[in-house]
Amino acid sequence: GNSVTQMEGPVTLSEEAFLTINCTYTATGYPSLFWYVQYPGEGLQLLLKATKADDKGSNKGFEATYRKETTSFHLEKGSVQVSDSAVYFCALSDQAGRRALTFGSGTRLQVQP
Amino acid sequence: GAVVSQHPSWVICKSGTSVKIECRSLDFQATTMFWYRQFPKQSLMLMATSNEGSKATYEQGVEKDKFLINHASLTLSTLTVTSAHPEDSSFYICSSRGGVEETQYFGPGTRLLVL
Repeated sequence: GNSVTQMEGPVTLSEEAFLTINCTYTATGYPSLFWYVQYPGEGLQLLLKATKADDKGSNKGFEATYRKETTSFHLEKGSVQVSDSAVYFCALSDQAGRRALTFGSGTRLQVQP
Repeated sequence: GAVVSQHPSWVICKSGTSVKIECRSLDFQATTMFWYRQFPKQSLMLMATSNEGSKATYEQGVEKDKFLINHASLTLSTLTVTSAHPEDSSFYICSSRGGVEETQYFGPGTRLLVL
């Protein structure tokens, strides 16, 4: 079956530091890959996505590249802000989003001023 | 982005009562809705998939008689937790899939506490 593995948190960084949150996956076929963010007390929001190999998703300074050869979709941001503090979930879906998402365990990011 | 609402946002109930949670897609017609459950500091676990006008498909280990799902229209799905017990206390999240790219949009979640 499908699975997503994320690095465990919490990740604590100072403002303007570089962020990497690792995500690897196991899936049959060619899944779509997603990063969702959950701010305190709120629901999940789609941060970015990629639907095929070598695609790069980007939004709000965050980027992730779909690497089929390493089955990875690592999230990166060059300079984090305090407002980026949240829980980040990597997820995948079969068939371009036509099925329910399989989520990783989530990584809590804390950015200190 | 598209908006999905859930109601109520939180509920406290006594053990043995039933609780209904509504999930609405406000500005698009959802071909499919999903119900997830999230325990504290854990990831989301899919409970069931709901298609308008047909029976929900439940994931293994989820009791369909306990978690009743009704997808009455393309914009509304309801989850009823019947005879709730303290172990049912959790954060329940719905998502709706629709639009040109069939993207999933998540509701803000409903926090259930069963005393």
